[in-house]
Formats: sequence, C-alpha cells, structure tokens
Amino acid sequence: DSGVTQTPKHLITATGQRVTLRCSPRSGDLSVYWYQQSLDQGLQFLIHYYNGEERAKGNILERFSAQQFPDLHSELNLSSLELGDSALYFCASSVPYAGMNTEAFFGQGTRLTVV
Amino acid sequence: AQKVTQAQTEISVVEKEDVTLDCVYETRDTTYYLFWYKQPPSGELVFLIRRNSFDEQNEISGRYSWNFQKSTSSFNFTITASQVVDSAVYFCAGGTSYGKLTFGQGTILTVHP
Repeated sequence: DSGVTQTPKHLITATGQRVTLRCSPRSGDLSVYWYQQSLDQGLQFLIHYYNGEERAKGNILERFSAQQFPDLHSELNLSSLELGDSALYFCASSVPYAGMNTEAFFGQGTRLTVV
Repeated sequence: AQKVTQAQTEISVVEKEDVTLDCVYETRDTTYYLFWYKQPPSGELVFLIRRNSFDEQNEISGRYSWNFQKSTSSFNFTITASQVVDSAVYFCAGGTSYGKLTFGQGTILTVHP
C-alpha cells in the first residue's frame, strides 16, 4: 500500500459529462502529480501541484483542470468528456516536507470509461 | 524534451532465469533522475529503484540490480532468479524532478513456472 488513496476506483459516464477524481496523498506529502495512462498514449504527466500551487503542466487538455486544497488533497476535473478520455488516471505524491525530495508514490488509479 | 525508449515490448522467461530490461533515456539536462516502476496485473504503479544522473555506481538490492551508463544514456534493470510474482509491466522513467516524469512504453514481463 503506497499510502495514496484515489476515489472512485471505477467510473463510467457518458460523453459530454463532467467528473471529478479525488486524490488523498500520503500523510503530509506536499506534492501531488496527476498522470493519465491510455493504450495509445501510454503514461503521460498531466499536472503537478505543490502545497496548493500549480507547479508544472504537461499534456493536459483545456477541458481538464485540477486543484489542491489546504488539507493537501487534490481533485482532477474532467469536463465535456469524449470517448478518447477513457483511461486510467493516477495520482502520485511526494515531498513529505519542504526540502525533502522523495520518489513519487502512486495511488491505485481511477479507471474512467466514457460511453 | 526527454525521451525514454524501452527496447523490449515483451519478454518471456522461465522461473529462476535472470532477466534484463533495457532503457535508454535521452535528454539535454545535465542533472536528472531515473526510475523503474512496476505495474502488476492489479494495476497500481509500484516504485522499485531510483538513480541520480551524477552517480554512476551500479547497485544491487536483493534480486534487483541496475546498471546506469551516462555515456550511452542507458539505464538497465536486472531481476535475478525471476519468480512468477515478478510478472508485470515494467516502466522506465526519467525527469529533472522526482515526480514530473517521462515514462517509457513499458516492457511486459511474463515469468512462467
């Protein structure tokens, strides 16, 4: 168990809808990363938050947004969903305290299916 | 931009064989970090090892060992005496931070009893 919790584990929704994926990082971890894993694109970095602030963006669509709250949990919002958004979405966390870098520990992922 | 290339798409071995997974990490950065992650059939990503670009010392941890050669950008990972439980997809990844990573396409390892 990595200590990173993602909910829900599975999500089925229709095209055009909006969903929210939730991530609770390891206790105290300041950094949260979101990744998307799909068959055609592989594992791709989406976005990084550190202590509530956006730090880096990767291949994240404009229809997607994220935030990190004061309690350090994070949410990834996906809107106007398309069939191609079906994927496994991972959250990872690291940095147990400022200045201490650690490898990223991943949650079990949320499998999103858009029908 | 970084590029991670895993030479093998699939590897099949018999239990107790040694197996090496190849990875090439291309970047213009002088300082970077390399990782191997494992994704078992259950789907989660499990951290295995990390290597800093400025440390070329090869290491062994239990049945795992890794060989980093900066001159060739290679970061190979070896499992000694493979076991059925090692069956998984193995990802090589790299980046200039520990969490914002570029992943390879993965190598599917199947260990047969």
